[in-house]
Amino acid sequence: EPEVTQTPSHQVTQMGQEVILRCVPISNHLYFYWYRQILGQKVEFLVSFYNNEISEKSEIFDDQFSVERPDGSNFTLKIRSTKLEDSAMYFCASSNPGGINLYEQYFGPGTRLTVT
Amino acid sequence: AQSVTQPDIHITVSEGASLELRCNYSYGATPYLFWYVQSPGQGLQLLLKYFSGDTLVQGIKGFEAEFKRSQSSFNLRKPSVHWSDAAEYFCAVGAKGGATNKLIFGTGTLLAVQP
Repeated sequence: EPEVTQTPSHQVTQMGQEVILRCVPISNHLYFYWYRQILGQKVEFLVSFYNNEISEKSEIFDDQFSVERPDGSNFTLKIRSTKLEDSAMYFCASSNPGGINLYEQYFGPGTRLTVT
Repeated sequence: AQSVTQPDIHITVSEGASLELRCNYSYGATPYLFWYVQSPGQGLQLLLKYFSGDTLVQGIKGFEAEFKRSQSSFNLRKPSVHWSDAAEYFCAVGAKGGATNKLIFGTGTLLAVQP
């Protein structure tokens, strides 16, 4: 069964450093997402990406964040200068366009980011 | 704005007992509704979904959920819980017909299963 994969599973970084979180969405999916979950809080939407551009972003997704699809398989989230409050589990998801398929999002196992 | 409430943060049931996890949503029109499960160290796995039609939907692992428009609820049920069901369960809503396809999640319910 196809699945979304994410690397690394755990990333520890110092405040102010740049991090790149990597995702490989399901191969025939065209919509990609990043969500995050701060410990003890709900899963929150960050950004959606389609046709090589951001289709929607949340208030959380400020200038410190960027996304990219550098090739035909990877989808990345970059945080330019990490803050302590960026510590969270980051989930990548993918779906197909077209009506209800858009909402049936498949999630990866997550990357736990710890900023010290 | 859409929102999802899961009133129970933590539930403990005995193995073999029935289970109901509550979910209430706020949305002006008929939403798309989902239940996801997250086992320790794992990602979010889709258990079941409601888009339209029959209000009782069946999912994987023996779970079902019922959409009740009058109560704005989408409660998850299982007639007999297994120890392997211990996990965190998230209800989510999608804004049907809206300009966004993001999912809005509840805070989750952590299920513990005792022997």
